[in-house]
Amino acid sequence: QKEVEQNSGPLSVPEGAIASLNCTYSDRGSQSFFWYRQYSGKSPELIMSIYSNGDKEDGRFTAQLNKASQYVSLLIRDSQPSDSATYLCAVADDKIIFGKGTRLHILP
Amino acid sequence: ETGVTQSPTHLIKTRGQQVTLRCSSQSGHNTVSWYQQALGQGPQFIFQYYREEENGRGNFPPRFSGLQFPNYSSELNVNALELDDSALYLCASSSGQDDTNEKLFFGSGTQLSVL
Repeated sequence: QKEVEQNSGPLSVPEGAIASLNCTYSDRGSQSFFWYRQYSGKSPELIMSIYSNGDKEDGRFTAQLNKASQYVSLLIRDSQPSDSATYLCAVADDKIIFGKGTRLHILP
Repeated sequence: ETGVTQSPTHLIKTRGQQVTLRCSSQSGHNTVSWYQQALGQGPQFIFQYYREEENGRGNFPPRFSGLQFPNYSSELNVNALELDDSALYLCASSSGQDDTNEKLFFGSGTQLSVL
C-alpha cells in the first residue's frame, strides 16, 4: 500500500515568519511531487510541483525534494494570514496519492 | 477558476439509494479522475478515465462506477449508498495518460450526505 504521510497539525506560525511543511512517501519509484492548498470548504488548488532533487522556488514558496530520504517539504516565506489553509502533499506514480494534509494557521 | 464544473454542489440521500454525480472537464483535457474526501482527510483516489476507458482504480468497491463520454465529461455512480459514503466528491481533469508529471485541476466538488 503506497502511502503519503503528513503531520495533521495544526501548525501555528506568526505572520511574517517562515512556515515549514513536511511530507514523506513510501514508494521509492515515485517521480512527481505536488503541493496543493485547500481552503476550508473549497477544493484543492495546485501551488507547486517538483520532479528532481533539490529546491524549486516560486515567489514566496519553495518546494524541496530528497528522493533518497523519500521526503518533500514546502517552505512559505513571509507568511500571510491568507496562507491559513490545509496543505496537501501529493505523490504521482501510476496515480496521484494525497496525504491527509497539514492545517496551517498564520497568527496575525 | 479551473474550468472544471461539477453538479450538483450538494446532495442528500438516504441509505440504500443510488446517486449520480457529474463533471465537465477543462477544455483540452481528456483525463478525468474522481476522488472522495471525508472530513479532515486527504482526497482518496476512486478511479480515472482516459478517452472513455477506465485507467486505474483505487480501493473502492464495485458499487462505485463511472463513465466518460466522447466530450470527456464524466459521471460517478454510487449504488446502495452507505452512511460512510458521506463525503466531498472531487472531480479533477488533466491533460494526458501515463504522464507522471500530471497536474490535476479540481472542480468545486459535490458534498454528499447519506442519512
